Amino acid sequence: GAVVSQHPSWVICKSGTSVKIECRSLDFQATTMFWYRQFPKQSLMLMATSNEGSKATYEQGVEKDKFLINHASLTLSTLTVTSAHPEDSSFYICSAPGLGEGNTIYFGEGSWLTVV
Amino acid sequence: RKEVEQDPGPFNVPEGATVAFNCTYSNSASQSFFWYRQDCRKEPKLLMSVYSSGNEDGRFTAQLNRASQYISLLIRDSKLSDSATYLCVVNPGGSYIPTFGRGTSLIVHP
Repeated sequence: GAVVSQHPSWVICKSGTSVKIECRSLDFQATTMFWYRQFPKQSLMLMATSNEGSKATYEQGVEKDKFLINHASLTLSTLTVTSAHPEDSSFYICSAPGLGEGNTIYFGEGSWLTVV
Repeated sequence: RKEVEQDPGPFNVPEGATVAFNCTYSNSASQSFFWYRQDCRKEPKLLMSVYSSGNEDGRFTAQLNRASQYISLLIRDSKLSDSATYLCVVNPGGSYIPTFGRGTSLIVHP
């Protein structure tokens, strides 16, 4: 079964509105989670590292005021796309390093965002 | 040089073929290595971890060569259902961020 759950799976919103995506670790605590964006036929692009109890670390070129990340608990990180525009339409995926051997990385199911 | 490099392909092979992918990494201190599979419009899913001693899971064999800093994935007797993108992941460990290759696309045709 899934160890990282992401919600919603898909969302359609109007330009200018905000959308929140949740990422939950199930059965384990994640002090760190990662948020990625993937455009069609392109590779995963790391957007930011979400740190429980502290500010997220954003990758170069990612606007922190536009992509708000909150990691208020050890099992939940949220990504809010503010003032969404059509070019923000993408597949957003979260992940968390698991426990145990090799620090396997577990992914959420992903969220398809379409901004119209 | 990119941290993790993969040939994007696509590799177009007939059913039953054997196909191999390589992935090179630049951080010699990397600690763990994985192959993930990503189907179209889905999240990546762990295919297998990669160990120095090599590991095999059915038709899939993964190898790690630390000296040359590459990992490989061998798929024997390819099935149509193997068609996907295969992502190489290198994990430095600790609080460092895992690094993904851009993925290798495999298309298995009848």
